[in-house]
Amino acid sequence: AQSVTQPDIHITVSEGASLELRCNYSYGATPYLFWYVQSPGQGLQLLLKYFSGDTLVQGIKGFEAEFKRSQSSFNLRKPSVHWSDAAEYFCAVGAQGGYQKVTFGTGTKLQVIP
Amino acid sequence: DAGVTQSPTHLIKTRGQQVTLRCSPKSGHDTVSWYQQALGQGPQFIFQYYEEEERQRGNFPDRFSGHQFPNYSSELNVNALLLGDSALYLCASSDEGRQPQHFGDGTRLSIL
Repeated sequence: AQSVTQPDIHITVSEGASLELRCNYSYGATPYLFWYVQSPGQGLQLLLKYFSGDTLVQGIKGFEAEFKRSQSSFNLRKPSVHWSDAAEYFCAVGAQGGYQKVTFGTGTKLQVIP
Repeated sequence: DAGVTQSPTHLIKTRGQQVTLRCSPKSGHDTVSWYQQALGQGPQFIFQYYEEEERQRGNFPDRFSGHQFPNYSSELNVNALLLGDSALYLCASSDEGRQPQHFGDGTRLSIL
């Protein structure tokens, strides 16, 4: 069965500082990997996805993530955080192919201080 | 281009009642998935519909049922509501089940 672990429940960073959110997954083959962001009272917005190819993927809002198969990780990074990045971030894994369910982690809440 | 729309936005019910939530997929999408997101948790997959049939189902009891209409819109029905059913219910749509999915803003269901 596929699963996702986000070890950090809550992270606080200063505006302008760099950010790294951790994600480890469990899946038997090469997975589809995603990072979503959720603002309070909102649905999920896709930041970026990994399907295959280049292991460093670029997303929206200046985010990037690196797929490391040997570590079963897909960490999210941003070089300089803005106050508007404060939200909850979810890592997710899905099987390749159509009609596959997606399994989410429990999320990391990001707080940005001035 | 309309995204995924869900109704209602908020709903309050009491234990034992039944509820129906509605979802219209993004234009051009034909596959709808439903997720339950309890407070402080990540979304949990309930089920997925394509061509008006349930394609996959997560670990949810039969009290949770769904339907997809010919126009691809979908309903989630929950019977015999429990306090633990209080959650944000998210609908996601995609084209022929392909990733990534697009999510709506959800329906907040509160059970008293």
